[in-house]
Amino acid sequence: DQQVKQNSPSLSVQEGRISILNCDYTNSMFDYFLWYKKYPAEGPTFLISISSIKDKNEDGRFTVFLNKSAKHLSLHIVPSQPGDSAVYFCAASAHQAGTALIFGKGTTLSVSS
Amino acid sequence: DVKVTQSSRYLVKRTGEKVFLECVQDMDHENMFWYRQDPGLGLRLIYFSYDVKMKEKGDIPEGYSVSREKKERFSLILESASTNQTSMYLCASSFFGQPNTEAFFGQGTRLTVV
Repeated sequence: DQQVKQNSPSLSVQEGRISILNCDYTNSMFDYFLWYKKYPAEGPTFLISISSIKDKNEDGRFTVFLNKSAKHLSLHIVPSQPGDSAVYFCAASAHQAGTALIFGKGTTLSVSS
Repeated sequence: DVKVTQSSRYLVKRTGEKVFLECVQDMDHENMFWYRQDPGLGLRLIYFSYDVKMKEKGDIPEGYSVSREKKERFSLILESASTNQTSMYLCASSFFGQPNTEAFFGQGTRLTVV
């Protein structure tokens, strides 16, 4: 059973608009959440993270929101740029030594100019 | 600059061959991971290691084994390659026991088994 779910395989947005990528999780032990960005034929690169003690974390054009009661997080990109076109993975981990990141299936974002 | 290096970008192997995928990190990380990425399935954890000679099974360990003889190196072994192991393989590393730390990934190895 999937512990981290990204239910939208793809998202298309116009340049300058907001992109909202969603992620749901089922494991209550998760206490740290991350977003990764991946271009074809490259490894994923870390984008932004949030601890479960916060409900928002912002870094430039990227903001992650966490709703613990709903077990839901979202990534907002404002304004979206064509270079943001990539696959975005949501990941989660539990604060225990030796635990691995669990990833969702990813959402492909396409930003058109 | 942090670095996770995978030994090959592209590999083509025959069915039944024993395949070694090597990964080296220079960040003195305790944790190392092997994932595979397939279309529509995301990143799935094969094995991970949190110390030298230690290993833990991930979600899909069947058909794979790993070796961690040195802290900086984590090898993934396909004992007898099969066509369903054709995939993008990604190695990653991170610090051990710190709650707010991300994993750093290598560039990936695209393995084709024919």
